[in-house]
Amino acid sequence: GQQVMQIPQYQHVQEGEDFTTYCNSSTTLSNIQWYKQRPGGHPVFLIQLVKSGEVKKQKRLTFQFGEAKKNSSLHITATQTTDVGTYFCAGWDGGSQGNLIFGKGTKLSVKP
Amino acid sequence: ETGVTQSPTHLIKTRGQQVTLRCSSQSGHNTVSWYQQALGQGPQFIFQYYREEENGRGNFPPRFSGLQFPNYSSELNVNALELDDSALYLCASSLRTGADTQYFGPGTRLTVL
Repeated sequence: GQQVMQIPQYQHVQEGEDFTTYCNSSTTLSNIQWYKQRPGGHPVFLIQLVKSGEVKKQKRLTFQFGEAKKNSSLHITATQTTDVGTYFCAGWDGGSQGNLIFGKGTKLSVKP
Repeated sequence: ETGVTQSPTHLIKTRGQQVTLRCSSQSGHNTVSWYQQALGQGPQFIFQYYREEENGRGNFPPRFSGLQFPNYSSELNVNALELDDSALYLCASSLRTGADTQYFGPGTRLTVL
């Protein structure tokens, strides 16, 4: 079945450093979504990418969707303590049933 | 606009018991999905409901069942609870079926002893 893998599992950075998490799917995706989950909280939608090679920016966050639509990345420039949390990618293979497959997430900690 | 709400917040059950979790979707959303999130893992899709019908199901046994009501609220029922069912159960509503943007509720933390 479809699998979505994320690396790294954990990332510890000093405030002000950059951070990148990578997501790889075993199958071609129709779209990919990114979510952020704060400690003790629930996943919150960040963005959706649909087109091959798409790049979207939200302030210090840059999201990319690979040309083959099988991988994606999230890059945070100059991390802040408010960026702390777990970042999940979630892929959909476009099947008729809403089976969104989440990666295991990358847990980001930021040292002030 | 009211967000997704879930009840109860926490629940403790013993092995073999049955449990019902409840969810109210965000206003205007007619699709509800349920996810199981084990500690340190990503959410795993259980099933999705649209117009009171199951619209898709993940790799979960039949003892996981659900309902959606005319007001789009939903229930997740789990029979014959097992220790491995201990997890955070998340409900998410969306505007459309399929893998549309998921608006998650705060979740119900289920502990099975």
